[in-house]
Amino acid sequence: GENVEQHPSTLSVQEGDSAVIKCTYSDSASNYFPWYKQELGKRPQLIIDIRSNVGEKKDQRIAVTLNKTAKHFSLHITETQPEDSAVYFCAAHNAGNMLTFGGGTRLMVKP
Amino acid sequence: DAGITQSPRHKVTETGTPVTLRCHQTENHRYMYWYRQDPGHGLRLIHYSYGVKDTDKGEVSDGYSVSRSKTEDFLLTLESATSSQTSVYFCAISGADGNTIYFGEGSWLTVV
Repeated sequence: GENVEQHPSTLSVQEGDSAVIKCTYSDSASNYFPWYKQELGKRPQLIIDIRSNVGEKKDQRIAVTLNKTAKHFSLHITETQPEDSAVYFCAAHNAGNMLTFGGGTRLMVKP
Repeated sequence: DAGITQSPRHKVTETGTPVTLRCHQTENHRYMYWYRQDPGHGLRLIHYSYGVKDTDKGEVSDGYSVSRSKTEDFLLTLESATSSQTSVYFCAISGADGNTIYFGEGSWLTVV
């Protein structure tokens, strides 16, 4: 089955700096890669996603890049703000219609 | 937010007792999922359903069973709860595109 690894497990940045979270996946048939943000005590919420036919996607301060050859994808957050503090999860969706999640990254943005 | 309702939202139960968590959706989507979330393990798939009466196992299915008798309802049952099943349980549904997954608000289960 699919295996998704996520790094780092914790990330602390100063407000205004950029944050990068990286994930690797094992199943070359995976074709959809969403990112979720989870605030304390809340549900995971989709913030951005990318499909395998695209190399990069941006949405305001958030961007995701995908390297299919290397089987890794990354989340980039620019101009971080305190409200970006949360746990972020990457995931990979394979042909079996199942989503496998990485272990999560706790992002702390210090004012 | 997707129309997903989980019940109960919080439950404390004793070891050895049966527990059923309910997930109800108003979106009429085909795929429904049960995940558990534990510190250090992220979100792990327990079971999923791809239609009425059609279910399959996920990564951590031991000790759990599911049923889907109607499109809108997906039930997760712990036949005999153990302390290792203390967790937060999230129901999820796939969006219309079949890929995007939306989560319910979660059910906090404590087994004492």
